Amino acid sequence: SQQGEEDPQALSIQEGENATMNCSYKTSINNLQWYRQNSGRGLVHLILIRSNEREKHSGRLRVTLDTSKKSSSLLITASRAADTASYFCAVPQGGSEKLVFGKGTKLTVNP
Amino acid sequence: DAGVTQSPTHLIKTRGQQVTLRCSPKSGHDTVSWYQQALGQGPQFIFQYYEEEERQRGNFPDRFSGHQFPNYSSELNVNALLLGDSALYLCASSPGHAVSYEQYFGPGTRLTVT
Repeated sequence: SQQGEEDPQALSIQEGENATMNCSYKTSINNLQWYRQNSGRGLVHLILIRSNEREKHSGRLRVTLDTSKKSSSLLITASRAADTASYFCAVPQGGSEKLVFGKGTKLTVNP
Repeated sequence: DAGVTQSPTHLIKTRGQQVTLRCSPKSGHDTVSWYQQALGQGPQFIFQYYEEEERQRGNFPDRFSGHQFPNYSSELNVNALLLGDSALYLCASSPGHAVSYEQYFGPGTRLTVT
């Protein structure tokens, strides 16, 4: 089944550094979404990027989408300790309204 | 404006029992989706309710059932609980059933089956 797969599984950086997470998927999509989850709590929506968009920004977040490579990346610039969380990409399962999540990237930002 | 709320926060049940989890969507949202998240995994789609009907279903057995009420709130029922049902159950609401809408998640219900 189609699934977003994040890479790396875990990332540890220092405050102020940039963090980049990648997501790959298997079939054509009309949009891709990124979510953040703090310590086993509910997920928070970060950005939705549509298939006809190549790049999108929201504050310190930058998301790119390459439909030819079936991949997306999430860049967090000037990271803060509060960015410590798990980050998930989610894609629609082909031909349905189901959102399929990957296993996530666990980001640790050290002060 | 209250976001998505879920109850209870935590729950401990014994194998074979039945459980009901509840969700109230964000104001203005008419679609509710349920997810199961095992430790260290991403959320897995269980099903989606829109207009009081189950519209989409993931790869979960019939032991998992749900309901949506006229006020758009929803319940998730799990019968004949197994140890493997232990997980965080997340409810998400959206202003429509199209997958292009962002999902607003509640804090989840942590279910432990012993």
